Amino acid sequence: KAGVTQTPRYLIKTRGQQVTLSCSPISGHRSVSWYQQTPGQGLQFLFEYFSETQRNKGNFPGRFSGRQFSNSRSEMNVSTLELGDSALYLCASSNLAGGPDTEQYFGPGTRLTVT
Amino acid sequence: SQQGEEDPQALSIQEGENATMNCSYKTSINNLQWYRQNSGRGLVHLILIRSNEREKHSGRLRVTLDTSKKSSSLLITASRAADTASYFCATDARAGGTSYGKLTFGQGTILTVHP
Repeated sequence: KAGVTQTPRYLIKTRGQQVTLSCSPISGHRSVSWYQQTPGQGLQFLFEYFSETQRNKGNFPGRFSGRQFSNSRSEMNVSTLELGDSALYLCASSNLAGGPDTEQYFGPGTRLTVT
Repeated sequence: SQQGEEDPQALSIQEGENATMNCSYKTSINNLQWYRQNSGRGLVHLILIRSNEREKHSGRLRVTLDTSKKSSSLLITASRAADTASYFCATDARAGGTSYGKLTFGQGTILTVHP
């Protein structure tokens, strides 16, 4: 079974621009979560989607948004980029139909650098 | 915000030695999970321990959970150079229900195993 894939793997953007990151979950997984990882703040939860609905959201400004498509693929968008948005963005998929004790499987991440 | 603390922040050992990492958390949990991350790449799931379990084994890994102290430990026995990585604990914090894909991570322990 193919793992979680994320595209692009690396991205360089300028302050003020916007960016869209993509995540394809493991086949059959319907839940996709997004995380931001920075040296200062560590791993922080952004949001989670299940069957095209956002069910949970972390403490990030409205510049961070996401969506999920009917095939469970997900995108996240960051508008008006700031230098502090430079981070590794990780997505994870899981099959939450099995209940709360479910592992998350992570993709390789997208390294975003804002200059 | 981070769920808790991990210690030590960094651990350096020789091949063949055991490595122990500790994690503390703040809220009631459904489960606690341990992940490994190599050099800023994606996270690899190692083991999940449920809140009603006290100890779990997987290969060279042993995890304990003390919910009264809100703490967990990860023991890697007979370590190898390939175990060099960052190790994170993560909690699924909505006891009795689902946290809808949100894991809360500790700051991580950087393990270096010297050949």
